[in-house]
Amino acid sequence: GAGVSQTPSNKVTEKGKYVELRCDPISGHTALYWYRQSLGQGPEFLIYFQGTGAADDSGLPNDRFFAVRPEGSVSTLKIQRTERGDSAVYLCASSLGQGNTDTQYFGPGTRLTVL
Amino acid sequence: KNEVEQSPQNLTAQEGEFITINCSYSVGISALHWLQQHPGGGIVSLFMLSSGKKKHGRLIATINIQEKHSSLHITASHPRDSAVYICAVGETSGSRLTFGEGTQLTVNP
Repeated sequence: GAGVSQTPSNKVTEKGKYVELRCDPISGHTALYWYRQSLGQGPEFLIYFQGTGAADDSGLPNDRFFAVRPEGSVSTLKIQRTERGDSAVYLCASSLGQGNTDTQYFGPGTRLTVL
Repeated sequence: KNEVEQSPQNLTAQEGEFITINCSYSVGISALHWLQQHPGGGIVSLFMLSSGKKKHGRLIATINIQEKHSSLHITASHPRDSAVYICAVGETSGSRLTFGEGTQLTVNP
């Protein structure tokens, strides 16, 4: 079956603009995670959804970042007033259950560049 | 100090060599994950373990809970094993994964 997909694959924007990044998880996966990966670093946790609700959003760096998952499937990560420091690869992952003891399946990522 | 530390950061080997990548962590965990990341960003889960040892093909992962240490071994390495290998831990206190910075492995023919 289809894996996790993310769109767009690349996004170039100007400082101060608003961007939306989309994640389509594997069908039937109730858990969805967003991570951010800077060059040469490991991924960094942003937010975790269980169904429609954000079970843990403690990784969001500030209030410019927001994510939704209104129907418990597709999720959108929204970044307001983008800054150059937001440039990174944004990764989405999904898993069958909850917590951190399930295998997570990763999408290919969205590379965000803020000029 | 990072909660998850990997060594070495970079590793170059000749085809056929036995490879070991190490991971140490400082928090209580419910599970430890080894992941493989190919150029272009795709991440694949290799192992998830909470005790003992797991084997899949030429890959072996071990964990020592008391010492808070895990190793990933690759036997008979091949150029197609070249990738970044990332250790991540699921903390007992929450739902997040905390990642190491990764080990860049290059296997030369």
